[in-house]
Amino acid sequence: DAGVIQSPRHEVTEMGQEVTLRCKPISGHDYLFWYRQTMMRGLELLIYFNNNVPIDDSGMPEDRFSAKMPNASFSTLKIQPSEPRDSAVYFCASSPRQGAGETQYFGPGTRLLVL
Amino acid sequence: QKEVEQDPGPLSVPEGAIVSLNCTYSNSAFQYFMWYRQYSRKGPELLMYTYSSGNKEDGRFTAQVDKSSKYISLFIRDSQPSDSATYLCAMSGNTGRRALTFGSGTRLQVQP
Repeated sequence: DAGVIQSPRHEVTEMGQEVTLRCKPISGHDYLFWYRQTMMRGLELLIYFNNNVPIDDSGMPEDRFSAKMPNASFSTLKIQPSEPRDSAVYFCASSPRQGAGETQYFGPGTRLLVL
Repeated sequence: QKEVEQDPGPLSVPEGAIVSLNCTYSNSAFQYFMWYRQYSRKGPELLMYTYSSGNKEDGRFTAQVDKSSKYISLFIRDSQPSDSATYLCAMSGNTGRRALTFGSGTRLQVQP
């Protein structure tokens, strides 16, 4: 199994530009999570999906952020317009239906730098 | 105040030392307690999890949960340079909500 796949691995963009991060979860996993990690705030949950349906988006910082999961094998996190304070590592994770969500498999992350 | 507090370190120990990592939490609804390990420039990976109170051992690693004190610990025996990483505690309730609440992570450096 290839694990959770994220692209791009690195993104450098200028303030005001649109940024799209992509994620392919592990096949067969029902849950998909988007996290953001910074030195100041640690690892924060942004949103999670169950069977492609958004369940909890309370962590999405503001309307500039949006996430979609059009099918079981693909999700996007979009920032429009981007700001320097959005610079962080964005992780996607997935987990199977079994259990209580304790086992989440993380992707390698996308390092975003907004200039 | 954060729901989960964790000393960021860094913690530097010699090879072979016993390492103790800790987290405190405020939400009494938490029932599942996890430790994730994150190597530099990688995503976190699950190391151990415990349901409710008690101890759990896996090789050189022991996880302890004291719900009365809202305190969890991870012990690493015979620490190795390969254990050098950031260790994040994580917790969730028994409410069907799958989201995890993470501590900020403790950076551990094991010196050879």
